[in-house]
Amino acid sequence: DIQMTQSPSSLSASVGDRVTITCRASQSISTYLNWYQQKPGKAPKLLIYGASSLQSGVPSTFSGSGSGTDFTLTISSLQPEDFATYYCQQSYSTPLLTFGGGTKVEIK
Amino acid sequence: QVQLVQSGTEVKKPGASVKVSCKASGYTFNKYDIYWVRQAPGQGLEWMGWISVYNGNTKYAQKVQGRVTMTTDTSTSTAYMELRSLRSDDTAVYYCARDWGSPPDDALDIWGQGTMVTVSS
Repeated sequence: DIQMTQSPSSLSASVGDRVTITCRASQSISTYLNWYQQKPGKAPKLLIYGASSLQSGVPSTFSGSGSGTDFTLTISSLQPEDFATYYCQQSYSTPLLTFGGGTKVEIK
Repeated sequence: QVQLVQSGTEVKKPGASVKVSCKASGYTFNKYDIYWVRQAPGQGLEWMGWISVYNGNTKYAQKVQGRVTMTTDTSTSTAYMELRSLRSDDTAVYYCARDWGSPPDDALDIWGQGTMVTVSS
């Protein structure tokens, strides 16, 4: 199975900060990589698909990049509503999907 | 609007079975596959399996293989996930999610609200 490793597992940041989260795949997955945001008690929400495409309705402060094994999610200017946990997910081995362990973004 | 609405909270004893439903509305049900994902308390997301709504094909995670069955009822636009021989480590929130995109560009764009399943003696 393809393993997905996210880093860091948590981070503290202030409103307005630029935040970068990394996701690494155990083998090349081309650009079959999605990012989700999850707030406490809520279902995950799709943010980025195909490594870099912004899902409809998602603010342009979110962006994704990468291919092969290394991917990043960037929040260009952190807003209060962005404090949440973020997960990457590969679909290269669909329908067997795997998720990263998550990155919790907390308020500094 | 497009949505998936899941059945309510369940409390089960070890060894019992649970069947979670996921009713779709606002879109053509048989045009999108369904995934099931679970999340243990305080933990990350875990893929459980997939079902093709079109032909009923399934694939399950090894961890639950042999104990899980995923089905759909196209007449009611509802997906089901049944998990048998429940153990304490099956305690989790169970989510259904719509598969948007063509393989391998699969992304889960619509999620149910989640169903909490607690396994306790």
